[in-house]
Formats: sequence, structure tokens, C-alpha cells
Amino acid sequence: DVKVTQSSRYLVKRTGEKVFLECVQDMDHENMFWYRQDPGLGLRLIYFSYDVKMKEKGDIPEGYSVSREKKERFSLILESASTNQTSMYLCASLWAGGRNTEAFFGQGTRLTVV
Amino acid sequence: GENVEQHPSTLSVQEGDSAVIKCTYSDSASNYFPWYKQELGKRPQLIIDIRSNVGEKKDQRIAVTLNKTAKHFSLHITETQPEDSAVYFCEDAGNMLTFGGGTRLMVKP
Repeated sequence: DVKVTQSSRYLVKRTGEKVFLECVQDMDHENMFWYRQDPGLGLRLIYFSYDVKMKEKGDIPEGYSVSREKKERFSLILESASTNQTSMYLCASLWAGGRNTEAFFGQGTRLTVV
Repeated sequence: GENVEQHPSTLSVQEGDSAVIKCTYSDSASNYFPWYKQELGKRPQLIIDIRSNVGEKKDQRIAVTLNKTAKHFSLHITETQPEDSAVYFCEDAGNMLTFGGGTRLMVKP
């Protein structure tokens, strides 16, 4: 049973705080992704990684960074949280090659920045 | 980059009616198209998929059709039930998790 686990279901942080969202997968997937999900805007790709220490910007990388020090873990970092980063964050992982295979999602982290 | 257009963004049907969601993609080389269902508060999960060597695939009340010439694929849900209420995402999996914008389906009892 594939498991993609996000460290928190709910987070409340203050404006200006540094925030870490963690995602761990146990299927030895090379590809990992971070999305944010907002009403009416679907899934928007923030960053993805296709290997350890590799990262690529997605569609909305501003205000975020990522870290992939180990294959199983992909972290999303909000350097200085702002209220417009209040959202649902979803992590996903994908098997090698990244094409034509099913994606597996974490359960999501609902982040509120106050 | 490549994108996927998904319509409608919201869909309300009466229980027992059919629901159809359509996606259009742009990359003619794409050949795998999954659909994900995301129930309220839960993660998206694969419900059905289709590869380009077939035109239709069915699993109980759910079917997916693919028209490679026109570059669109559709999800069909028959005899809808309240538990079908969710957000549905299509994906062009040939383009590294390129999702449609999602469709919120509401099935009214």
C-alpha cells in the first residue's frame, strides 16, 4: 500500500514565520511534487523534484523553496509566511520516469497564516 | 507548457442522473489519462484511467472515453449517488502531473 504522508493535517502560523511542510513517501519514488489547492483554482504546482538534491520550479514558486536531501522526503519551505499563503498544500509522488503512471497524494496540510 | 482544460468547473445533478466531465489536452504524444476523485477533506485518489490504445474503459458506473484525434477524454458517471459528490481532476500523465482545473460534482438526493 503506497503511502505518502504529510507531517501535519492543520497548521496555524503567524505572518513572517518560517514554515516547514514535510512530505515522506515509502515507495522509492524518484519524483515528488508540491501543490497548493485553492477554491476555484484547482491544483497549482509550486515545485517538483525528480531526484535527490534536484528541484524545478513549478507554476507558482514565488515565496516558496524546497529541499530534497533524501529520496523519501520532500520539504516545502515558506521563508516568511504571508496571509496569501493560507491554503491547502498537497504533496504527490510518482514512479521513475514520471510519465504515464499514477500519482499518489498525501492527505494534505491546511495552512492558515494569521 | 502543455495544459489541460477541464469542463465544467461545477456540476449539479439529481441522484440517479448521469454526469459527464470533459477534458481537452494539447500534447498529441500523450497516451495516459487518469481521473482522480477528491472527497471533502481527503486526498485525490485514482478512480479510473485510460491509455491511448483504447477508446473506452468502464468500471461499474464509471466510464472514460478517449478521442485522440480531437484530443479530449471524458469521465461518465451513470446512476449518480450522493457519495459521488466530490471534486474530480483529469490528468495528462504524459506531461508530468498536468491536471485539469477540477470539477465539483454535487449529487442532490
